[in-house]
Amino acid sequence: GAVVSQHPSWVICKSGTSVKIECRSLDFQATTMFWYRQFPKQSLMLMATSNEGSKATYEQGVEKDKFLINHASLTLSTLTVTSAHPEDSSFYICSASPTGVDYTFGSGTRLTVV
Amino acid sequence: GENVEQHPSTLSVQEGDSAVIKCTYSDSASNYFPWYKQELGKGPQLIIDIRSNVGEKKDQRIAVTLNKTAKHFSLHITETQPEDSAVYFCAATLYGQNFVFGPGTRLSVLP
Repeated sequence: GAVVSQHPSWVICKSGTSVKIECRSLDFQATTMFWYRQFPKQSLMLMATSNEGSKATYEQGVEKDKFLINHASLTLSTLTVTSAHPEDSSFYICSASPTGVDYTFGSGTRLTVV
Repeated sequence: GENVEQHPSTLSVQEGDSAVIKCTYSDSASNYFPWYKQELGKGPQLIIDIRSNVGEKKDQRIAVTLNKTAKHFSLHITETQPEDSAVYFCAATLYGQNFVFGPGTRLSVLP
């Protein structure tokens, strides 16, 4: 089946620094990938839609200058959290689909900003 | 936009019993309804899904039913096992666009 790999699985960074999270579709090409954020004991909230070769689409309330998304190839999307602050600490998850309907999720990245 | 509600928020069952989780959605145009299982510290894993042209789907101990008229769908797990303990999320979407997740159900299967 479709496999989505996410790296790193966890990261700790200092306030004010930037962190990059990678999402790769291993056995299929994905023109679209989605990025979600999940706070403890809460549901997944869509942050943005990553489109290969074009600008990402951000959900209302998500700062595009803070959460930079790059989808430079059909198998890789990256999310960079710029100037991270403790309130950005969360579980970030990406998803992609070979069919455009049934989506596979990555294993998630636990970001802790200290 | 779409809104998905999910009940109950927590559910405890004895091993071997059945568990049922219900979701309702608001957008009648939604046509794809997946269920995900999420274990602690991991990403969601698709366990079963159903499309709007089907009323029921079963995969071993797991089944999903869909009532389009009432706009609700349910996850049924029979013969529950301790490894079924996790958080379960339902979702609704139109052709994979604008996935909206329910708030989740924490299932505990007691040995």
